[in-house]
Amino acid sequence: EAQVTQNPRYLITVTGKKLTVTCSQNMNHEYMSWYRQDPGLGLRQIYYSMNVEVTDKGDVPEGYKVSRKEKRNFPLILESPSPNQTSLYFCASSFSLMGNYGYTFGSGTRLTVV
Amino acid sequence: SQELEQSPQSLIVQEGKNLTINCTSSKTLYGLYWYKQKYGEGLIFLMMLQKGGEEKSHEKITAKLDEKKQQSSLHITASQPSHAGIYLCGAAFGNEKLTFGTGTRLTIIP
Repeated sequence: EAQVTQNPRYLITVTGKKLTVTCSQNMNHEYMSWYRQDPGLGLRQIYYSMNVEVTDKGDVPEGYKVSRKEKRNFPLILESPSPNQTSLYFCASSFSLMGNYGYTFGSGTRLTVV
Repeated sequence: SQELEQSPQSLIVQEGKNLTINCTSSKTLYGLYWYKQKYGEGLIFLMMLQKGGEEKSHEKITAKLDEKKQQSSLHITASQPSHAGIYLCGAAFGNEKLTFGTGTRLTIIP
């Protein structure tokens, strides 16, 4: 089944403890992206990647890191999480930025930082 | 400021009634996506519009992009409980990131 898999689905952590949210897609998509969703603010892009070893900042990159060493994986790294990073995170992928079949989204990771 | 404005923010509709959700941009859109999100879950792709005046339908959902490519509407005919959720429009303004509206929360009441 074609899908984007995020792990974990739920995570509660403490301030300052490094964490990684994994994202993997099995559709050979070149374009991958991370979003966070907050009430009243909608979906905001954190980072995106046009291809392997090519990443760029989105709207709200502060406090996050990403890497794209393989085409299928695009992990999101929080080196020192803070409470304002409590949010619902989504990974998405597509053949291209303007993919005619849209972006495929993962099921989301609900992160709580205390 | 939000590049994409959705209206209304929330909508409560009786089952069987028709409804329309709007997505407006101050800039020309290169492409417009509509997604549906079940509460707290991932986004499901509904359709994409790219040409001015384009209209697409999927089951009882129809989406249109105006000729100027600055506004899109999503119309649901004879709404059902399965239509409940959050509808988001997403747009590309160039060859960069995809920007999303804040969403419209749709509730269907019996």
